[in-house]
Amino acid sequence: SQQGEEDPQALSIQEGENATMNCSYKTSINNLQWYRQNSGRGLVHLILIRSNEREKHSGRLRVTLDTSKKSSSLLITASRAADTASYFCATVDRGSTLGRLYFGRGTQLTVWP
Amino acid sequence: NAGVTQTPKFRVLKTGQSMTLLCAQDMNHEYMYWYRQDPGMGLRLIHYSVGEGTTAKGEVPDGYNVSRLKKQNFLLGLESAAPSQTSVYFCASRTYPGTSERDTQYFGPGTRLTVL
Repeated sequence: SQQGEEDPQALSIQEGENATMNCSYKTSINNLQWYRQNSGRGLVHLILIRSNEREKHSGRLRVTLDTSKKSSSLLITASRAADTASYFCATVDRGSTLGRLYFGRGTQLTVWP
Repeated sequence: NAGVTQTPKFRVLKTGQSMTLLCAQDMNHEYMYWYRQDPGMGLRLIHYSVGEGTTAKGEVPDGYNVSRLKKQNFLLGLESAAPSQTSVYFCASRTYPGTSERDTQYFGPGTRLTVL
């Protein structure tokens, strides 16, 4: 069954603004990942944060992880129209050797020019 | 490198017909996965493989079979298609555990299947 739940389900902003998406999960995790999916395309891995990390950066992306609250957030700074996509969080359970990902339902981000 | 490729990109079937979806990866990855994605849902795992010649059931395996005869290929079969199998199917692969990228999955572009 699905593990992560993203919030909000949809987000609409102007170019240049920051976009924040949240993810909550239920179990103890090894790591949490964020993926992007452009319309009609496959998923692309954005960033991975391990359970012993609290914050991670990659370009305009900033991810935080709070294992006590079982939640994560993805911040996209200075958004662009090209950032329009669905964003999914996915978790890997602690102790998993299969690396099975449990996905949430995603946040649809629309960035207006 | 092509990464992960899937064929076909689109397919329309009638109820009861059969078909095979092909996934190929050129990254020498050990693990491969088949997911389905339905509107408003995240991805759900159908079957997976941890190496050539091995397969296992995921979350929603009913109505599907898989084979991994070659390390680079992972086939998903529908023996008797049903309208409930209308979905977008994604294949993914990842490298062997123990490497620094061990938990990152690489996805194909998807196959959009409609069963009438």
